[in-house]
Amino acid sequence: DAGVTQSPTHLIKTRGQQVTLRCSPKSGHDTVSWYQQALGQGPQFIFQYYEEEERQRGNFPDRFSGHQFPNYSSELNVNALLLGDSALYLCASNMGGSNQPQHFGDGTRLSIL
Amino acid sequence: GNSVTQMEGPVTLSEEAFLTINCTYTATGYPSLFWYVQYPGEGLQLLLKATKADDKGSNKGFEATYRKETTSFHLEKGSVQVSDSAVYFCALSGLSGGSYIPTFGRGTSLIVHP
Repeated sequence: DAGVTQSPTHLIKTRGQQVTLRCSPKSGHDTVSWYQQALGQGPQFIFQYYEEEERQRGNFPDRFSGHQFPNYSSELNVNALLLGDSALYLCASNMGGSNQPQHFGDGTRLSIL
Repeated sequence: GNSVTQMEGPVTLSEEAFLTINCTYTATGYPSLFWYVQYPGEGLQLLLKATKADDKGSNKGFEATYRKETTSFHLEKGSVQVSDSAVYFCALSGLSGGSYIPTFGRGTSLIVHP
């Protein structure tokens, strides 16, 4: 039973570029959440997708956008990258957006030069 | 809004010492509470959970009790091992705008020496 998988594991970009990160949820899960984790900090909620729609959004600018596909996988897109976007981006999944624990992937480490 | 406050780290202990990591929260309603653990280079893994007041979550020798009167969910372990060295995150899941959005603390780094 595959858990949450994310790709790529590492990525290096320069300021102003755009990036797409990908996530496949754990089998049987239909809700995907994205988090940004800066070094030494806890995960900060970006947004959550359920039934291919953005259900909730944290305090992140419109440069951060996402998508969920019919197979429940998801993408996170970040435009006009800034140095401050350097972080570990975590994807998590659970069922129906419930208060059940989330299952996390190992993340994508994004470095902006 | 919801928030979680954890004690500052790092917490440095010798093997077999007693561990306490404090966590308090602010939330409306009746959130579920969680402890997650993160090892270097990995994502977060659920360690234990509690869904209502006075529930005790436990796993791998770790325990935490949901105390509504003190809005706390402190993590404890009677005898830590070197392999417990990691970052521990306290989190709550509460209703926000009709869906459950987790809120995480900043994390507490635990270093256990042989």
